[in-house]
Amino acid sequence: AAGVIQSPRHLIKEKRETATLKCYPIPRHDTVYWYQQGPGQDPQFLISFYEKMQSDKGSIPDRFSAQQFSDYHSELNMSSLELGDSALYFCASSLFTDTQYFGPGTRLTVL
Amino acid sequence: AQSVTQPDIHITVSEGASLELRCNYSYGATPYLFWYVQSPGQGLQLLLKYFSGDTLVQGIKGFEAEFKRSQSSFNLRKPSVHWSDAAEYFCAVGASTGTASKLTFGTGTRLQVTL
Repeated sequence: AAGVIQSPRHLIKEKRETATLKCYPIPRHDTVYWYQQGPGQDPQFLISFYEKMQSDKGSIPDRFSAQQFSDYHSELNMSSLELGDSALYFCASSLFTDTQYFGPGTRLTVL
Repeated sequence: AQSVTQPDIHITVSEGASLELRCNYSYGATPYLFWYVQSPGQGLQLLLKYFSGDTLVQGIKGFEAEFKRSQSSFNLRKPSVHWSDAAEYFCAVGASTGTASKLTFGTGTRLQVTL
């Protein structure tokens, strides 16, 4: 069965640089979620989109923005990167409010 | 606001022994409850979920969980643990906003399996 695809899988950036993470949901899924998992921590909800509209917002810094495109893929844009942004970033998708299926994550390292 | 408590940070069991991982939640309405498993550096795999109906739910890999509203608990169980079950286990509660259902996770329980 098709799964959630995230790219890139690993990303290394310098402080103050910009990063873009991409997420391709399971086909026919209309909702995308982004989570951030710091080292040794539980995933924290950042933001979600339903049918290309933002549906909920969590603890997402103002330096971050995201959107969902017409083909339902989503991108998380992160600017002015800080050392504390180093984490595993997960995308999950669902059909409306049904079960969320997670991608493999993007490991972001900020040097 | 919803929250999840996993009181056990680290559990060690012998292969073949039974397992119970504890999860307590706080949520105003009927919750959506989930257990996910994560191997080191990997993504989150859904083990099982509870939305409504039968309070004992079966999942993959021989896991089951029981929803107890009176105790606000959703404990995960497995009758006989295999060495490959060693991983981090997260309990999560889903809060619907109408068009999405963000998950709030517990802090996780790391399971170690001894041979």
